[in-house]
Order: sequence, then structure tokens, then C-alpha cells
Amino acid sequence: AQSVTQLGSHVSVSEGALVLLRCNYSSSVPPYLFWYVQYPNQGLQLLLKYTSAATLVKGINGFEAEFKKSETSFHLTKPSAHMSDAAEYFCAVSEGNTGFQKLVFGTGTRLLVSP
Amino acid sequence: GAVVSQHPSRVICKSGTSVKIECRSLDFQATTMFWYRQFPKQSLMLMATSNEGSKATYEQGVEKDKFLINHASLTLSTLTVTSAHPEDSSFYICSARESGNTIYFGEGSWLTVV
Repeated sequence: AQSVTQLGSHVSVSEGALVLLRCNYSSSVPPYLFWYVQYPNQGLQLLLKYTSAATLVKGINGFEAEFKKSETSFHLTKPSAHMSDAAEYFCAVSEGNTGFQKLVFGTGTRLLVSP
Repeated sequence: GAVVSQHPSRVICKSGTSVKIECRSLDFQATTMFWYRQFPKQSLMLMATSNEGSKATYEQGVEKDKFLINHASLTLSTLTVTSAHPEDSSFYICSARESGNTIYFGEGSWLTVV
């Protein structure tokens, strides 16, 4: 069975600081990995996805994530936080051989950005 | 980008009644839609996969007679919580898969059963 662990339910950074949101996964088959963002009262928006191509994936809004098989990690980073980045972030894994089908989500990390 | 709309965004119902939540793909046809539930401080949990024109596939532990899913058209799937109880209070969110395999999520629906 697949699972996702997001370390830290809340992460606080100052505006302009590095953002690092951690995600570790467990999967018995090659995974597809995703990061979604959820702003208040809105649906989940796809930030980026890893589908067995390049291990460093660039997404929208300046975010990127690196797939590290040896560490079973897919951490999300952004060099410089903006106030508008404050939101809930979810990491998710899907079985690679089923493509974009069932997603298993982590518990989410709320990013707080202070001036 | 593609938009998936859920309605209602918030609903309060009395214990024992049924409530219906709609999930619509506004600008694309979705042969497959997914329904998730999220309890406070927990992950989104997949409840069922809804395929247009066929019966939904429920995840283990999800009562199919309690959570009725209908995917009658390529743009609409509905989730009906029957005989709702306070423990069914949760955040329900749907997603839809478009032809290019990208999945789009709705805004979610907060259900409170009193």
C-alpha cells in the first residue's frame, strides 16, 4: 500500500526566506508524485508532478521539488517566500502504472508567511 | 485551466436526513470523477471512483448504501449521504480527470450534521 508522510502540520517562514515543505512516500511500485496547494475556500490546485522523467520538477509560482528515490522523498521548495504563498500544501502519491488515478494524500502542511 | 465546481460549499442537515453534493466539470468532459473525504487534521481519503454510465467503485470500508454516487453524465457526478449522522460531518471534495489525464479538484463541500 502507498502512503505519504508530511512532516510538520505548520511551517512558518518570513517573506523572502526559503520555503521547504517535506514529503516522504512509501510505494511498492514506481510512484507518480504530486504537490497540490489549497487556498482558503478554494479547491486543490496542482503545483507540480513527477512522472518518472526528470527528477527535479519545476512547477507554478516558483516552486520546485526533487524526487530522491534513495531517500523516498519529494520535498517542495521555493527560494523566496511571498505573502501570497500562505496556504495549505498537500503531497500525494499515485501508482505509476495506473497513471493519474487514485491519489493517496498526506495530511497537509499549512504554510504561514510573515512580513 | 479546467474548472470543477462543487455545490453546495457548505450544508447543514438534520440527523437522519439525506443530503446531495454535486460535482460538475464546467469546461471538459470527465469520464472519471473521484470523491474524497477529509476529517480535521487528517489526510484526504479516497471514498470512491465514479465512472460515467457505470457503478462507482468504492474503497474498502466505505459503505456504498450510505454514500450513493451517481455519474449520470460526462460533466456531473453526485454524492448523496443517506441517513446522515453527526459522524458523517466532514469535508467532501471531488476531482475530475480530463482526457489528458490531468486531475482537477473542486472547491470542496463542508457537511455538518446536527
